[in-house]
Amino acid sequence: NAGVMQNPRHLVRRRGQEARLRCSPMKGHSHVYWYRQLPEEGLKFMVYLQKENIIDESGMPKERFSAEFPKEGPSILRIQQVVRGDSAAYFCASSELAGASYEQYFGPGTRLTVT
Amino acid sequence: DAKTTQPPSMDCAEGRAANLPCNHSTISGNEYVYWYRQIHSQGPQYIIHGLKNNETNEMASLIITEDRKSSTLILPHATLRDTAVYYCIVGWGGGATNKLIFGTGTLLAVQP
Repeated sequence: NAGVMQNPRHLVRRRGQEARLRCSPMKGHSHVYWYRQLPEEGLKFMVYLQKENIIDESGMPKERFSAEFPKEGPSILRIQQVVRGDSAAYFCASSELAGASYEQYFGPGTRLTVT
Repeated sequence: DAKTTQPPSMDCAEGRAANLPCNHSTISGNEYVYWYRQIHSQGPQYIIHGLKNNETNEMASLIITEDRKSSTLILPHATLRDTAVYYCIVGWGGGATNKLIFGTGTLLAVQP
């Protein structure tokens, strides 16, 4: 069973460009989460999605950031008009249907560098 | 979600047991204790979780005190590959949102 896959692993963008980060959850997992880790800082929750629904986006910056998890295909985290402060590692995680307890399984991350 | 407190760093000799403490004095009755670790630059890795009873799996053991205000993660025979930041997280798995709130964790350095 393949783990959570993220691509690209490294992404370089110039200021003002768009960044698209993709996440394919583990087989059978219908819940996807995105986290961001700024340089020398801890992991911060961004958004939680189920298929075609955003459940919790309390950690998403109000502007330029959006996320989706379509019925078919990977989840996408989109950052428009990137700035240097967006440079970070972005991790995706997935879990099975939430029950009384749950484990999230993380992908290897996408390292975004904004020049 | 309840807040957790962990020591910033710990050392452990290779082959010995590593005991990582966590305080979560404000934990509520329906909240679980989860442990994850992050080896340098990699994605976090789930280790173990529990509610009230002690738990053991192939990676580690989790000891939760009777009042549930603290817990200890035990790596029975630490290896150099166990050097990582270990995060203790308290959360409820049955709510509308399942986000993990990461603190600063404990940097465990396993020494040869």
